[in-house]
Amino acid sequence: ILNVEQSPQSLHVQEGDSTNFTCSFPSSNFYALHWYRWETAKSPEALFVMTLNGDEKKKGRISATLNTKEGYSYLYIKGSQPEDSATYLCASVPNTGNQFYFGTGTSLTVIP
Amino acid sequence: DGGITQSPKYLFRKEGQNVTLSCEQNLNHDAMYWYRQDPGQGLRLIYYSQIVNDFQKGDIAEGYSVSREKKESFPLTVTSAQKNPTAFYLCASRPERGARSEQFFGPGTRLTVL
Repeated sequence: ILNVEQSPQSLHVQEGDSTNFTCSFPSSNFYALHWYRWETAKSPEALFVMTLNGDEKKKGRISATLNTKEGYSYLYIKGSQPEDSATYLCASVPNTGNQFYFGTGTSLTVIP
Repeated sequence: DGGITQSPKYLFRKEGQNVTLSCEQNLNHDAMYWYRQDPGQGLRLIYYSQIVNDFQKGDIAEGYSVSREKKESFPLTVTSAQKNPTAFYLCASRPERGARSEQFFGPGTRLTVL
């Protein structure tokens, strides 16, 4: 079982603030890192899939970086909006390629 | 519309009864997964299947069983041997093997054992 940790556990920010959270994962046998957004009463949806050290991905105001050597990924949200309120999950996939190991998530609340 | 359906949304059962949770997908995905979520914990893998008639245990398979007779269906049975079955269950699918393809999730089933 891989230990994937996310911090902080929860976060409240004002509308317009920028924020970031961390996902830590074992760097050995690493293959891929996934980020998902899970809004209340909906299904989790994929944000990014990252595989290479130094990878940077961007989707609108949300971006992510990956450091496979030290085993962490950052998710950034620029100018947070109330619709960004959700739980953000990361999942590490080892080089067997079949099992996803999820962190406990970071719950973001954006206050209008 | 293409997607993953899980039914029912809420399920109540008496202790000692087996119960089967449904998961259907019309995305033509090869791989399907069952996860369990408990308060304060991440999604934990129960079982997964890469292809019809084949499935593998995840980290917490004890007390659960699955079948994969059709590509689009992956039902999960929670047996009376599962010591703490009350939880939220999520089904997911993926178009192919390999770590680069994302998972697509269903809406989940909340099971409460009384």
